Amino acid sequence: NAGVTQTPKFQVLKTGQSMTLQCAQDMNHEYMSWYRQDPGMGLRLIHYSVGAGITDQGEVPNGYNVSRSTTEDFPLRLLSAAPSQTSVYFCASSSDRGSQPQHFGDGTRLSIL
Amino acid sequence: SQKIEQNSEALNIQEGKTATLTCNYTNYSPAYLQWYRQDPGRGPVFLLLIRENEKEKRKERLKVTFDTTLKQSLFHITASQPADSATYLCARYAGGTSYGKLTFGQGTILTVHP
Repeated sequence: NAGVTQTPKFQVLKTGQSMTLQCAQDMNHEYMSWYRQDPGMGLRLIHYSVGAGITDQGEVPNGYNVSRSTTEDFPLRLLSAAPSQTSVYFCASSSDRGSQPQHFGDGTRLSIL
Repeated sequence: SQKIEQNSEALNIQEGKTATLTCNYTNYSPAYLQWYRQDPGRGPVFLLLIRENEKEKRKERLKVTFDTTLKQSLFHITASQPADSATYLCARYAGGTSYGKLTFGQGTILTVHP
């Protein structure tokens, strides 16, 4: 049981490049979320999904896209990378809304030059 | 907007003492408060959850309280050990149609000195 798996673990991009951060979970959870973590800012919600085919925006969605074609996968796309998107990105899944624990991956550390 | 704040950025204590971390929220009481532990280079790991109608929850050396009058949750680690050193995060969930939206505090870095 791997839990939540994020790839890659590290990535360096140039401004303007695009890329996809991968997230997969094997717990059959309906709820999945993407967060970014910056020093002194805590975890901020980017996008979330309550099931396959259903996504919605979080607190800081600009510059990011998501899709949820399967229960297991929830990729995050950076459309045109900017230095302000340098951060650590975490994917999480849970079996219910806020009444159940969130299971986090170990993050993707992204630097935009 | 719903805010959640952890009072201390860092807390240093001696081994064997009780560590107490504070989480304050604004506006209406969240339906649930959650506490997580995060080690350097790792994702947060769930520790405890407390519901709005619960005053206290315990798990081994951990205890969390929820005071809706003070709009505050306290997280205690008794008989602390150097291995308890980590960043601790609290998170609020409003309930209702908020789906998976958890709002996190900025975290408190706990260091337990031998």
